[in-house]
This record gives sequence, structure tokens and C-alpha cells, in this order.
Amino acid sequence: QKEVEQDPGPLSVPEGAIVSLNCTYSNSAFQYFMWYRQYSRKGPELLMYTYSSGNKEDGRFTAQVDKSSKYISLFIRDSQPSDSATYLCAMSLGDYKLSFGAGTTVTVRA
Amino acid sequence: DAGITQSPRHKVTETGTPVTLRCHQTENHRYMYWYRQDPGHGLRLIHYSYGVKDTDKGEVSDGYSVSRSKTEDFLLTLESATSSQTSVYFCAISERSLGEQYFGPGTRLTVT
Repeated sequence: QKEVEQDPGPLSVPEGAIVSLNCTYSNSAFQYFMWYRQYSRKGPELLMYTYSSGNKEDGRFTAQVDKSSKYISLFIRDSQPSDSATYLCAMSLGDYKLSFGAGTTVTVRA
Repeated sequence: DAGITQSPRHKVTETGTPVTLRCHQTENHRYMYWYRQDPGHGLRLIHYSYGVKDTDKGEVSDGYSVSRSKTEDFLLTLESATSSQTSVYFCAISERSLGEQYFGPGTRLTVT
């Protein structure tokens, strides 16, 4: 079993829809949680960083962490074609090592 | 890409040849990392550095070596490239060991 599980999709939504992305994890010691966005043939770009259970908002993006269920989510409101990318979750025990999900490919249709 | 450059951006090489990839940062961050990204495996850590001349292995370090003689440069060397090392290689940097990591644009390496 992988430490971090992420549905690879692909996920296709119409413009303006809410995109919902999820990751589950097996190690309850993970403390820090991140979401990265990766456009095709580019490096991952950090979107969200959080270390507590609950919600964190940044513009159209909301990151949600539920440590009791070992489950994290990313919601994208009012999705745009420019949001079409692969989204990677990542988590850390509190040191340098990040454990990544395999990524979910999202397409927002105009 | 947070002041990170990687060179070369693309390389095709033959099995058995040595290859060196370079990561250069202008952020003066202490920590630097080399990852590889493969379909179905996601991003996996090869080696990391926590200071000049201070490096350690990641989860997929076999066949790779690294060096860091200056804060801004982190080199990844494949001593004798194999086809299984065909991948996209990303460098990342962070200011703190438990902090956010910022990635470079990647190097696409093909070993024939």
C-alpha cells in the first residue's frame, strides 16, 4: 500500500464548476500538507501549504485537512480553463522528506 | 520557478555514458533536492543537500551521486546511465527542512 493515495483521474469539468480533489494517507504522523499544480512539461508549483486540521482559503482555492480520517482535499471554485493541469498532493512528517501522491489530471472545458 | 534554473533542459544520451545535471538557485536557500518523476510513481527523492558539502540519500539513490560545492549549485551525476534512468528530473529548494519546497523547470533525460 502506498503511503499517499491519489486518484489519477482524469477529471473533466465545465468552466465555472467546482473541482474537488482528494488524497488519503496511511501514516497518521504526517503533520504538513501541500498541494502543487503542475502544467504540462513544467515543474510543480506550490499552491497551498497547511499544517492543521480544518480549512485554509486562498482566492478560489480551499485546502481541507481531516487528520482523524487521514484525508485531505483541494477545492477549486469557479474553475477556469487555465486551471487545467495535474494536481499533486504532498505531505511531510515535519522534516525534509515529502511523500507525494501520483497526481490527478484535471481538464476544465470552456 | 522561484529563481531556480536547471541545465540542460533536454538531453539524449547512450547507455553507459556519464551524465551530469545542474541545478542553480538564486534564492540562497540552504536545502536542495533532486527528484525524478515517472508515470505511475509520482515524484521520488533521489538525493538532498542540507548545506555546502552536506548531502544524503533519498529513496531512489542507486546509480546517482551528487555534489554541492557552493550554496547555489547542486549537481546530479549518473556515473553510467541506464535506460531505467530515462525520466524527468526536478530540482527543488527550501529555506527550512520542514518548509515548502519550490521546484525548478525540470530536465528531460532520455537514455537510449
